[in-house]
Amino acid sequence: AQKVTQAQTEISVVEKEDVTLDCVYETRDTTYYLFWYKQPPSGELVFLIRRNSFDEQNEISGRYSWNFQKSTSSFNFTITASQVVDSAVYFCALSEADNNNDMRFGAGTRLTVKP
Amino acid sequence: DVKVTQSSRYLVKRTGEKVFLECVQDMDHENMFWYRQDPGLGLRLIYFSYDVKMKEKGDIPEGYSVSREKKERFSLILESASTNQTSMYLCASSPPPGGYQPQHFGDGTRLSIL
Repeated sequence: AQKVTQAQTEISVVEKEDVTLDCVYETRDTTYYLFWYKQPPSGELVFLIRRNSFDEQNEISGRYSWNFQKSTSSFNFTITASQVVDSAVYFCALSEADNNNDMRFGAGTRLTVKP
Repeated sequence: DVKVTQSSRYLVKRTGEKVFLECVQDMDHENMFWYRQDPGLGLRLIYFSYDVKMKEKGDIPEGYSVSREKKERFSLILESASTNQTSMYLCASSPPPGGYQPQHFGDGTRLSIL
């Protein structure tokens, strides 16, 4: 079965610092999808990005960027010039094409950005 | 925007009670999911449903059941609540195919069993 590991339980940074959240995954499928979600204090998980296994291009969206490397089975998330509003729990998730409704989540990384 | 609404943000129940958690989505999604979220464990799938009256067990179905009589509504039932079911419960929905589409989540229900 697929597995997602987020080794960083908690990270604390000061505003304007850059921060990288790590995500390592395991799967036997050749076709799979990787996701990042943000959970602010309000509780609702918000979808940030999806990547499929055939697309290793890095992606940038404003201050957010994602680095997908199949060679190391990693899908890391970087926030540039962090802001207090970035404080949240971030989850990495994986689903396999052959197992359509089984999305596996990592344990999450709690990011605190201090003013 | 997709809206997934969970009936309660906070709920306190007693051991042995039958507890109902309700979830409604307004986007006509086929797939609906119930997770529980515990510190250090992330989200764990309890049950999911891919159609009305259809259900599949997730990783931790013991002590829970579900009901999906209408497409927009997915209920989680704790048959006889126990203290180890104190947790945050999250409902989600997605269109098919389930693996490819991101899931849309409700705000969660923080359930305490005393």
